[in-house]
Amino acid sequence: EAGVAQSPRYKIIEKRQSVAFWCNPISGHATLYWYQQILGQGPKLLIQFQNNGVVDDSQLPKDRFSAERLKGVDSTLKIQPAKLEDSAVYLCASSPTSGPPYEQYFGPGTRLTVT
Amino acid sequence: SQQGEEDPQALSIQEGENATMNCSYKTSINNLQWYRQNSGRGLVHLILIRSNEREKHSGRLRVTLDTSKKSSSLLITASRAADTASYFCATDNDYKLSFGAGTTVTVRA
Repeated sequence: EAGVAQSPRYKIIEKRQSVAFWCNPISGHATLYWYQQILGQGPKLLIQFQNNGVVDDSQLPKDRFSAERLKGVDSTLKIQPAKLEDSAVYLCASSPTSGPPYEQYFGPGTRLTVT
Repeated sequence: SQQGEEDPQALSIQEGENATMNCSYKTSINNLQWYRQNSGRGLVHLILIRSNEREKHSGRLRVTLDTSKKSSSLLITASRAADTASYFCATDNDYKLSFGAGTTVTVRA
């Protein structure tokens, strides 16, 4: 089966610019996650969707980050305006269900550099 | 916030040797998972152990869980160059995963 797809793979922007990332989860997976992984750290959950509804966005900086999952399939994560500290890899993951026990399937990530 | 903490931060071993890394966490969990990340394949799920299990095996991997000590260990036996990667424990608490900072393992030929 095809894995989680993400684009772009790399992005370089200047601070105060905006950027958007796209994710297409594994077909049939109801739950989609966005993580931020700063260099040298583990992934940190930003937002979790169940179908097209938000389950958890408690760690999403809502003043600059937004995400949507239209039609319960693919998703976009947007940053506007970007700050230097947003430089990180943004990972998208999906799982068949949100209930445990479950494993998450990760995409290759988008490496964002903010200059 | 990151609940799990891996130890050591980095590990260098010879091919064929075993590698052991530990994970400690703070609050009760539903299950604990280990993931591997390398530049070639991204983050990949390795193994999941439920809170009522004490040990689990998968190929060359052995995971233990001690909920009384809030700790887990991952053992990789007979390591190979392809095992060079960062390994993360992730605790499932309140139906979401919290990842530690990881252990970087380097396997020398």
